[in-house]
Amino acid sequence: DGGITQSPKYLFRKEGQNVTLSCEQNLNHDAMYWYRQDPGQGLRLIYYSQIVNDFQKGDIAEGYSVSREKKESFPLTVTSAQKNPTAFYLCASTRTGTEAFYGYTFGSGTRLTVV
Amino acid sequence: GEDVEQSLFLSVREGDSSVINCTYTDSSSTYLYWYKQEPGAGLQLLTYIFSNMDMKQDQRLTVLLNKKDKHLSLRIADTQTGDSAIYFCAESYTGNQFYFGTGTSLTVIP
Repeated sequence: DGGITQSPKYLFRKEGQNVTLSCEQNLNHDAMYWYRQDPGQGLRLIYYSQIVNDFQKGDIAEGYSVSREKKESFPLTVTSAQKNPTAFYLCASTRTGTEAFYGYTFGSGTRLTVV
Repeated sequence: GEDVEQSLFLSVREGDSSVINCTYTDSSSTYLYWYKQEPGAGLQLLTYIFSNMDMKQDQRLTVLLNKKDKHLSLRIADTQTGDSAIYFCAESYTGNQFYFGTGTSLTVIP
């Protein structure tokens, strides 16, 4: 079955640490996205990539970094520069062009907590 | 990004209809979507509507679009306890980026 896999489901980070969240898809989708979800604030776009080896900043990219070395994978690193990283992180993918309008497929999310 | 607004909470009794409302600011929106998020999970696409449509029905779900007022609604008929979730409205003009509302938390009272 095709889908998006995010891992781990729960992640704990100590102050000053970098952590990497994994996102893998086998849907052959071109575009991939990272969103942050906080209660009452909806989804905010962190980074997105429409093609391998290329990515763009979203609305809240500061303190985060990404890479897109393979079409299937779009890992997100939460760096120590991100002062308030505790949140639920969602990865999504979609085709590009006119087929993009059929909407995102989302992963099941990673809950990151600073301890 | 574009503004997509929703009320935060809605409570209904089991068996009643639920109506979740959404307003958006981008008059160029081409596609509008409703997603459902259950606790601790990702978002699941429920339905979408093209901007040249006024209404779309899919089993218990009815989507109404008023382009003049930039208003989108989702009606769930015969609401069940399994419908309790957060519902997100989203819009896209280019298909490259989607803008989400804050989500409406629907509670179904048995």
